[in-house]
Amino acid sequence: EDQVTQSPEALRLQEGESSSLNCSYTVSGLRGLFWYRQDPGKGPEFLFTLYSAGEEKEKERLKATLTKKESFLHITAPKPEDSATYLCAVQGGYSTLTFGKGTMLLVSP
Amino acid sequence: KAGVTQTPRYLIKTRGQQVTLSCSPISGHRSVSWYQQTPGQGLQFLFEYFSETQRNKGNFPGRFSGRQFSNSRSEMNVSTLELGDSALYLCASSYAGATNEKLFFGSGTQLSVL
Repeated sequence: EDQVTQSPEALRLQEGESSSLNCSYTVSGLRGLFWYRQDPGKGPEFLFTLYSAGEEKEKERLKATLTKKESFLHITAPKPEDSATYLCAVQGGYSTLTFGKGTMLLVSP
Repeated sequence: KAGVTQTPRYLIKTRGQQVTLSCSPISGHRSVSWYQQTPGQGLQFLFEYFSETQRNKGNFPGRFSGRQFSNSRSEMNVSTLELGDSALYLCASSYAGATNEKLFFGSGTQLSVL
C-alpha cells in the first residue's frame, strides 16, 4: 500500500524567512510525485511533477526536489500570498494518487 | 477556458438520506476522479471514470457510487448517509487520466450530515 507522510503539519514563517516542507513516501514503482497547493475554500492547484530521484523543478519562490524516499518543497523568501496548504501525492503501480495530509503554511508580513 | 465546476457548493443532509453531487469537467477532458477530503484523513480517492466507464475504485463502501455521462459530466451518489460522510468532496478532471497527467480540481462540495 502506498503511503505519504508530510511534515510538519503546520509551519509559521515570517515574510522572507526561507524553509522546507518534507514529504516522505513508500510506493511500489514510483511513476510520479506531485505537489499541489490548496487555498481555503478551493480545490488543490497543481504545482509540480517529479519523476525520478535527483530531479528538481522550480517555480517562482518554490523549488521541489526528489530522492528515493522523500521530496522537499523549498520556499525561498516567502510572501504572505504563499500561505496555503501544500499537498504531496504519489502515483505508483495502481495508477491512482495517494495524498499526504498536507502542510499548512502561514507567512506573516 | 472554464475550470472544473462542482454543484452544489454546500449541502446539509440528515442521517439516512441520500445525496447526489455533480461535476462538469474542463471542456475536452474525458477523465473524472472523485476524492473525499476530511481533516483527519486528508484526500482519499473514491473512483475514476473515463469514457463513461469506471476505471479505478478506492476503498470505500458500496454506498458510494458514481457515473459519467457521454458529455463527460459526472455525478456521485452517497446513499444512507452517515455522520462520518461529512466532508469536502472534490472532483478532478484530466484529458485522458494517463499516468503522470496533472489533475485540475473543482472547488468541491461541502457536505454536512446531521
